[in-house]
Amino acid sequence: DIQMTQSPASLSASLGETVSIECLASEDIYSNLAWYQQKPGKSPQLLIYYASSLQDGVPSRFSGSESGTQYSLEINSLQPEDEGDYFCQQSYKFPRTFGGGTKLELK
Amino acid sequence: EVQLVESGGGLVQPGRSLKLSCAASGFTFSDYNMAWVRQAPKKGLEWVATISYDGSSTYYRDSVKGRFTISRDNAKSTLYLQMDSLRSEDTATYYCARSDYSAFDYWGQGVMVTVSS
Repeated sequence: DIQMTQSPASLSASLGETVSIECLASEDIYSNLAWYQQKPGKSPQLLIYYASSLQDGVPSRFSGSESGTQYSLEINSLQPEDEGDYFCQQSYKFPRTFGGGTKLELK
Repeated sequence: EVQLVESGGGLVQPGRSLKLSCAASGFTFSDYNMAWVRQAPKKGLEWVATISYDGSSTYYRDSVKGRFTISRDNAKSTLYLQMDSLRSEDTATYYCARSDYSAFDYWGQGVMVTVSS
């Protein structure tokens, strides 16, 4: 199975700051990487697909990038509504696997 | 508007069965692969199973193979998950999700399954 190692597990930042979340794939997944946001008590929502493509309706302050097997989600100019959990997920092979998640809190 | 509405969850004893349903609307159901993803309380996301758009192919995580069956009725725009021989570790919120080739682009609100005696 492809392991997705996500870091950090938790993150605290201030309004207006820029933060980055990383996911390291255990093998090449050829950009088949998605990012999701999940708010408390809600279902996950797709933010980014194919590593860097922004899902319709997602604010442009969210962006994705890749370098080899390392994938990053960057959130610019943090807003209050960005608080929540973030997960990466590979869609290159079955079983589909998720990163362990990052809890983002605003100071 | 894409909508996915799960039903069928509840409390069940270990070893018993439960069948989840997911009613889809707002898109052409038969054009899309569909999946079930679960989340144990206070834990991360875990993919469970995927079915191809026409039902001809199915994929499962190892821990549910032989116990869970994903199926679909394209005429009714409904996805199913038959769960047999349930274990305490199957306790989770189960989400139905639309699956394109790159991601799960729409999710249902989730349904809770609790396996306990």
